Amino acid sequence: GDSVTQMEGPVTLSEEAFLTINCTYTATGYPSLFWYVQYPGEGLQLLLKATKADDKGSNKGFEATYRKETTSFHLEKGSVQVSDSAVYFCAREGNYGGSQGNLIFGKGTKLSVKP
Amino acid sequence: KAGVTQTPRYLIKTRGQQVTLSCSPISGHRSVSWYQQTPGQGLQFLFEYFSETQRNKGNFPGRFSGRQFSNSRSEMNVSTLELGDSALYLCASSRGPGGTDTQYFGPGTRLTVL
Repeated sequence: GDSVTQMEGPVTLSEEAFLTINCTYTATGYPSLFWYVQYPGEGLQLLLKATKADDKGSNKGFEATYRKETTSFHLEKGSVQVSDSAVYFCAREGNYGGSQGNLIFGKGTKLSVKP
Repeated sequence: KAGVTQTPRYLIKTRGQQVTLSCSPISGHRSVSWYQQTPGQGLQFLFEYFSETQRNKGNFPGRFSGRQFSNSRSEMNVSTLELGDSALYLCASSRGPGGTDTQYFGPGTRLTVL
């Protein structure tokens, strides 16, 4: 079935390092794509989204570009901070009425940023 | 504007019991979806309600059920609890049905089954 695959963690970086978290998806069409972030002990927060090919979503220094040629939506940040430590989930829009729901999530990537 | 609220935040039950979790969506949102999050399986879709109707359902046994009220608040119920039901249960609301509308998540209810 349709799926989302993201790089396995955990990812450990030093403060101010460059971050990339890879995400690829399978789909028959062009679903909307999302990145959600989950801080310890909290629910998910929408970080950014892109609704069509070549769109770039951005928020809080994070960016991701919808690449239909490579079916990818990699998350990047130029300089991470300790406060970015969290679990990051890539997700795609689900199929209408499908059993996977409106959002199909990847497994999540845990990021730890050390001072 | 208040966010999605879920009650209770933490719950401890024993095997065989049943439990009801509640979710209040953002004002004006008519769609509520429920997800189960576990370390092993990640985020799995349970069901979605829109305007008091179940719109779609994930691959969970019939012990998992839900409903939505006329004010869009939603409840989910799990009967005959099993140890494997221990998880974080998240609800998300959106204005309309479908995946294009942004979903906003609540903080979750942490259920522990002993």
